[in-house]
Amino acid sequence: EVHLVESGGGLVQPGRSLRLSCAASGFAFDDYAMHWVRQAPGKGLEWVSGISWRSGTILYADSVKGRFTISRDNAKNSLYLQMNGLRVDDTALYYCAKVRYSGSWGYGMDGWGQGTTVTVSS
Amino acid sequence: DIQMTQSPSSLSASVGDRVTITCRASQSISSFLNWYQKKPGTAPKLLIYAASSLESGVPSSFSGSGSGTDFTLTISSLQPGDFATYYCQQSYTAPFTFGPGTKVDIK
Repeated sequence: EVHLVESGGGLVQPGRSLRLSCAASGFAFDDYAMHWVRQAPGKGLEWVSGISWRSGTILYADSVKGRFTISRDNAKNSLYLQMNGLRVDDTALYYCAKVRYSGSWGYGMDGWGQGTTVTVSS
Repeated sequence: DIQMTQSPSSLSASVGDRVTITCRASQSISSFLNWYQKKPGTAPKLLIYAASSLESGVPSSFSGSGSGTDFTLTISSLQPGDFATYYCQQSYTAPFTFGPGTKVDIK
């Protein structure tokens, strides 16, 4: 069974940094691309970033490009999101998610963690 | 970037009702369209992928159709556990945008 556990969220001042982690188990982590998706309070889902199985392809939403960096350590079955220059509108619940099929972005995200909350406020 | 729209934004329905939600992409996305169910306090759940493929474990009361720019999620007989917000998402090209959601609540 796919198990994803996010950590690293918290309260941070605007302009500061935070690093989120996602620990994966129950599947061959190094075979699958992974995503970060967020949901701001009272808002809908927003795709943030994705990384291919060997980190060869890295993708970002325009809203975080240049500020956030996604990475993964397949030896540790872990996904990361380094968030720099945080803004108030980055406040959200951040989920990591697994793509449905290895080797493809195209078929949705079939495994999700429970999320970690990031609050950006002075 | 591909923009996703959904209609309606919310609807009220009764148990047993047939419910249809539409999703439109700003350009053709072939069949790279997925549907998720989201309940408060829980993670999103994949219902339908590739426009019409039912995810394992999802009741057959859920179905999806469409291709190109216009897609539909249908719940043939609404059950108590189906009251939630539903999101479409395109996985044709990054950024992998979600629609704004359709909230289904109890009439």
